[in-house]
Amino acid sequence: QVQLQESGPGLVKPSQTLSLTCTVSGGSISSGGYYWSWIRQHPGKGLEWIGYIYYSGSTYYNPSLKSRVTISVDTSKNQFSLKLSSVTAADTAVYYCARVGAVAGTPFFDYWGQGTLVTVSS
Amino acid sequence: QTVVTQEPSLTVSPGGTVTLTCASSTGAVTSGYYPNWFQQKPGQAPRALIYSTSNKHSWTPARFSGSLLGGKAALTLSGVQPEDEAEYYCLLYYGGPWVFGGGTKLTVL
Repeated sequence: QVQLQESGPGLVKPSQTLSLTCTVSGGSISSGGYYWSWIRQHPGKGLEWIGYIYYSGSTYYNPSLKSRVTISVDTSKNQFSLKLSSVTAADTAVYYCARVGAVAGTPFFDYWGQGTLVTVSS
Repeated sequence: QTVVTQEPSLTVSPGGTVTLTCASSTGAVTSGYYPNWFQQKPGQAPRALIYSTSNKHSWTPARFSGSLLGGKAALTLSGVQPEDEAEYYCLLYYGGPWVFGGGTKLTVL
């Protein structure tokens, strides 16, 4: 069974860059067929899709975050990463990584990490 | 900005049936929006239930079903169990970006 695990600093200072990594086990990112996504949830609020990446490096980002987001993949480590620049308190959230597949051209989100809380504060 | 709207809260009795809906500010939701549905319980990550309108994951209980209803995506729970009390989110595809609905808090009472 595929498992995803987020890791990274739980506290980031305003104006700095938030960096998180998602480690995938039970399946290889480089085998293809899946996109690897980041989603966040502000405290007590709903979910927000941030973006995703294919193993080849193709990316798609939420237009509202696109100017500050970079998602990258390291197939040798079976990991993908999120960088969010110029953070403010509004970026305080639980960040989730998830797998996105497709069957007969129909996309689906299936496996999710447990999430990691990132607080932006000085 | 695209907005996806769900009922903020619904209440259902154990054993009853309830339908949650998901509307798009751009117009009628069709199969091309590939609606996904997720369940989230407090302190837990979301769990995928339905994809592409009506397809279930291998772990999705049979009492959950998805459909299109009156221009919206819909999630129906039949024979509701106490453990179905949770927040439910829909997710729609806009030809590039995905947008989540605001969530429906389902109370089983």
